[in-house]
Amino acid sequence: DIVLTQSPDSLAVSLGERATINCKSSQNILSRPNNKSPVGWYQQKPGQPPRLLIYWASTRESGVPDRFSASESGTDFTLTISSLQAEDAAVYFCQQYSGLPLTFGQGTRVEIK
Amino acid sequence: QVQLQQSGPGLVKPSQTLSLTCAVSGVSISSDNSYWSWIRQPAGKGLEWIGRIHTRGFTQYNPSLQSRVTISRDTSRNRFFLSLTSVTAADTAIYYCAGIDASGFPFNHWGQGTQVIVSS
Repeated sequence: DIVLTQSPDSLAVSLGERATINCKSSQNILSRPNNKSPVGWYQQKPGQPPRLLIYWASTRESGVPDRFSASESGTDFTLTISSLQAEDAAVYFCQQYSGLPLTFGQGTRVEIK
Repeated sequence: QVQLQQSGPGLVKPSQTLSLTCAVSGVSISSDNSYWSWIRQPAGKGLEWIGRIHTRGFTQYNPSLQSRVTISRDTSRNRFFLSLTSVTAADTAIYYCAGIDASGFPFNHWGQGTQVIVSS
């Protein structure tokens, strides 16, 4: 299985400040045809299903605010919230869809400081 | 607009079978090159992919659950189903159905979730 390890498990950030979440894959999952990795990022608020934010490691889903961005470097993936808003308090998950079984990171809780 | 509506019992006795339904609207589950999945999340924990069914009808399962899981569908009613046999307390979780727009993409459509408790 492809294991995704997120760090940190939680972080507290002041409103307007930057939040950075990391996700490390146990394998290189780069897709040669498009030179991107099949990694998605989700936001989950209490009592709600996850919401897709990012796909193919760095492409923002339609309707997602541009303060959310993501990048990749080898087996390391990063989600950045450039200027944290109150509504961004949530748990964030990475997910790989390169191989079966599909797997998720354990989640990172973002709180407002 | 694609919508997924889940239904099924919230309480299942140990050793019995958990059965859930996901009704899909806005897209046909038998068209295009797409997958329809079940995912679960124990309280306060992460997400576990259970398995999926392709628009052509073949299924793929997480090896950790494969011996107990069946995902099936009713294309005439545009629904797909989860059956998990011989449940224990460890199967207590929120269960989600989810879909993707096309193969090679992550989950962008989710059901509302069903809390399933395994208890006598």
